[in-house]
Amino acid sequence: GENVEQHPSTLSVQEGDSAVIKCTYSDSASNYFPWYKQELGKGPQLIIDIRSNVGEKKDQRIAVTLNKTAKHFSLHITETQPEDSAVYFCAASKRNDYKLSFGAGTTVTVRA
Amino acid sequence: KAGVTQTPRYLIKTRGQQVTLSCSPISGHRSVSWYQQTPGQGLQFLFEYFSETQRNKGNFPGRFSGRQFSNSRSEMNVSTLELGDSALYLCASSLSRGPSGNTIYFGEGSWLTVV
Repeated sequence: GENVEQHPSTLSVQEGDSAVIKCTYSDSASNYFPWYKQELGKGPQLIIDIRSNVGEKKDQRIAVTLNKTAKHFSLHITETQPEDSAVYFCAASKRNDYKLSFGAGTTVTVRA
Repeated sequence: KAGVTQTPRYLIKTRGQQVTLSCSPISGHRSVSWYQQTPGQGLQFLFEYFSETQRNKGNFPGRFSGRQFSNSRSEMNVSTLELGDSALYLCASSLSRGPSGNTIYFGEGSWLTVV
C-alpha cells in the first residue's frame, strides 16, 4: 500500500518566519495530496490540497508544491503566527482508492 | 452549514465490552469514512461507506465494523474491546466517493478510553 513519510516531526519557528514541511510518497499512482491541521482536542481540518495535474497551489499564507517525478510534496507557511501552532498532517490517495494514507505529523510551534 | 458531527465525544469502556460510535456527515455528503488515531500508529483508515455499502476496508480485525443508513449517517462498532483500542475515532465525509475526486472533511472525533 501507499507509504507517506513526513519530515520534520517537530518544527519550532519564530513568529513571522516561514515554516516548511516535506512529505514523500511511495505509490506513483497517487494523485491527490491534502494537508490537514489538527489543534489539541480537535479533528483534522483541511487547510489546502493539490491534485497531480497541478504543480503548485497557494492560499494566502499557505502554499503547497508537488514534484511528481521525485514523489514529494511540501507545505509552506509564510509569516507564521502563534495561531499556526498545531500538528500538521500530509496525506495521499490514489484514483479510485477512497482512503487517505497519512504521514506521521509535524508539531509546529510558533514562538512569539 | 453544519460540519461532520460525531457522538459521543468522550467515553470510557471496560475491556471486553462493545461500543458504538455515531457520525452525521455534512448535509448532502454521501460518502462516510472512519479513521483511528493513536500516538503510536497515527491516523489509520478503518473503512468507507457509500450508498449504505462498505466500499473499502483497512487492515483492522473483524471486531471493527460499521454501517451506513439511508440518510448517510453512519455508525461504527467495536466489539470485545481491548486496551489497544483506546484512540480517537474520526469520521470524515465527502460529497461523493472521494477523496481523489472530492474533498474530505473530518469531524471532531470520539475519544475512546478502554480500561
